[in-house]
Amino acid sequence: NAGVTQTPKFRILKIGQSMTLQCTQDMNHNYMYWYRQDPGMGLKLIYYSVGAGITDKGEVPNGYNVSRSTTEDFPLRLELAAPSQTSVYFCASSFDRGVSGYGYTFGSGTRLTVV
Amino acid sequence: QQQVKQSPQSLIVQKGGISIINCAYENTAFDYFPWYQQFPGKGPALLIAIRPDVSEKKEGRFTISFNKSAKQFSLHIMDSQPGDSATYFCAASLINSGYALNFGKGTSLLVTP
Repeated sequence: NAGVTQTPKFRILKIGQSMTLQCTQDMNHNYMYWYRQDPGMGLKLIYYSVGAGITDKGEVPNGYNVSRSTTEDFPLRLELAAPSQTSVYFCASSFDRGVSGYGYTFGSGTRLTVV
Repeated sequence: QQQVKQSPQSLIVQKGGISIINCAYENTAFDYFPWYQQFPGKGPALLIAIRPDVSEKKEGRFTISFNKSAKQFSLHIMDSQPGDSATYFCAASLINSGYALNFGKGTSLLVTP
């Protein structure tokens, strides 16, 4: 059981480039999330989805887009990369709201540097 | 606006000691309070969680204490071990946000031998 798989693990982008961070889960979870983690700032929610075809903005959505065409996949798109988007990105999924005792299952992260 | 405020930012504890991390929240709609543990290079993982109708929950060496009136909750790690060295995040869930967790800024814990 792979859990939540994120690719790539590392990436360097030039300012203005675009890329897609991939996230896939094999647990049949309805809920999926994208967080970014900056040193000393905790985890901030970018976008989330409560099921296929449904997405909504989190705390810091500017500069990002998402789609959820299937239950398994929740890619995060960066358009016109900026240095402020240098961060570690985590994808997560949950069976329900994460309150059943199983919590969120996080991927291992994508470390993105924009230069 | 930080929904959940966590302190301290870093903590050094000797092996066998008690580690205490505190969190405070403002929104009384929060109804679920988990703690996550993160090791370097890994994603966070659920450690222990509590609901506001319970004042304390214990799992092994880890205990959450919850004070609803003060809107505070804390994580106690008893008999701290070097293997507990990690970053700890408290979090809270907000009902009308689609069940997404709001995380604190994290506490970096170092347990010295």
